[in-house]
Amino acid sequence: GAVVSQHPSRVICKSGTSVKIECRSLDFQATTMFWYRQFPKQSLMLMATSNEGSKATYEQGVEKDKFLINHASLTLSTLTVTSAHPEDSSFYICSARDDREAFFGQGTRLTVV
Amino acid sequence: GESVGLHLPTLSVQEGDNSIINCAYSNSASDYFIWYKQESGKGPQFIIDIRSNMDKRQGQRVTVLLNKTVKHLSLQIAATQPGDSAVYFCAETEGGYQKVTFGIGTKLQVIP
Repeated sequence: GAVVSQHPSRVICKSGTSVKIECRSLDFQATTMFWYRQFPKQSLMLMATSNEGSKATYEQGVEKDKFLINHASLTLSTLTVTSAHPEDSSFYICSARDDREAFFGQGTRLTVV
Repeated sequence: GESVGLHLPTLSVQEGDNSIINCAYSNSASDYFIWYKQESGKGPQFIIDIRSNMDKRQGQRVTVLLNKTVKHLSLQIAATQPGDSAVYFCAETEGGYQKVTFGIGTKLQVIP
């Protein structure tokens, strides 16, 4: 099946710094990419939807200036957590969609200390 | 048994038994439903899907049942194996994969 690669798989950063997470579709062109956040023992919550070449659509309650999403090509989307704080520590998961279905990355564990 | 609050509902089954995981979905306009398996520290893995014009679909060892009247989905796993231990999420979407909304999840523990 199609592969979605997410990098890094784990990252630890200091409070106040920014972290960039990459999501790549390796063998297909993703018309749409989705970013999710998952806290421990909870479900995946959609943060935003991005289409290549256009601005991301953020879900209610998600700060667009804090979670910057760039979808510059059909195979790459990035999520930048700006001025990270300990409460941003979470598991971030991307999903890439082709014409038929959505595929998920393996997730990025972000720890802000 | 089940627990609420910060803990995922948990289903414990004996190896070899059948498992049934239930899910209530929220959007009556949803027309496509997916079950995902998530192992610790990993992303969701597709298991099986079903469209709203069907009420049952079978895969290898898994069956999904859809009851649109009460907005209920279930996932049946036959002959449950230790490798089936994971958290299972149902997900719904409207108009294809425009926006996938996940349910709360159920943790399946297989007792050897």
